[in-house]
Amino acid sequence: EAGVVQSPRYKIIEKKQPVAFWCNPISGHNTLYWYLQNLGQGPELLIRYENEEAVDDSQLPKDRFSAERLKGVDSTLKIQPAELGDSAVYLCASSLVTSGIGAEQYFGPGTRLTVT
Amino acid sequence: GENVEQHPSTLSVQEGDSAVIKCTYSDSASNYFPWYKQELGKRPQLIIDIRSNVGEKKDQRIAVTLNKTAKHFSLHITETQPEDSAVYFCAALHLTSGTYKYIFGTGTRLKVLA
Repeated sequence: EAGVVQSPRYKIIEKKQPVAFWCNPISGHNTLYWYLQNLGQGPELLIRYENEEAVDDSQLPKDRFSAERLKGVDSTLKIQPAELGDSAVYLCASSLVTSGIGAEQYFGPGTRLTVT
Repeated sequence: GENVEQHPSTLSVQEGDSAVIKCTYSDSASNYFPWYKQELGKRPQLIIDIRSNVGEKKDQRIAVTLNKTAKHFSLHITETQPEDSAVYFCAALHLTSGTYKYIFGTGTRLKVLA
């Protein structure tokens, strides 16, 4: 079984430019998460999807960040325009939540974004 | 807001010794506590988890203990090996307004010295 796939793995852009990250979760997983991880810190949730619905986007900076999960499978996270402070690793994770909560999360390898 | 405190931030042990990493959470309703290992440049990987209905769980050289009253949980690694060197993150499932969120600790960089 393939794990969570993310692309690109690395991205370097100039500030004010747009950037997009793509995530393909584990097949059959209904819940998808986007996290931001700064150097030396733990992951911080940006948005969580259950199927196609964004059920928690309270930490997503909506003035410049957007996300979508069409058809409840793949997801794209976009930043426009990027700022220097957006440099970080963007992690995607997925899980199969069948009842209640507390399902194991599987993380992708992340996209390391550098904004210059 | 809700948070998870993790200590120590760095830990060096001799190969074969034990390592203990401790976390404290603030949400008394939290009921699920996973631990992740993240090697440099790689994805976080779940190594063990515990739910609030048990006090301890063990998997070979790794164990996790939970004290719900004190809101503490700890990761114990015995007979450490150089390949255990990595950053370890604890997390707690924070319940809020009918939904949930995983809150992560700030990580512990473990170095196992050969």
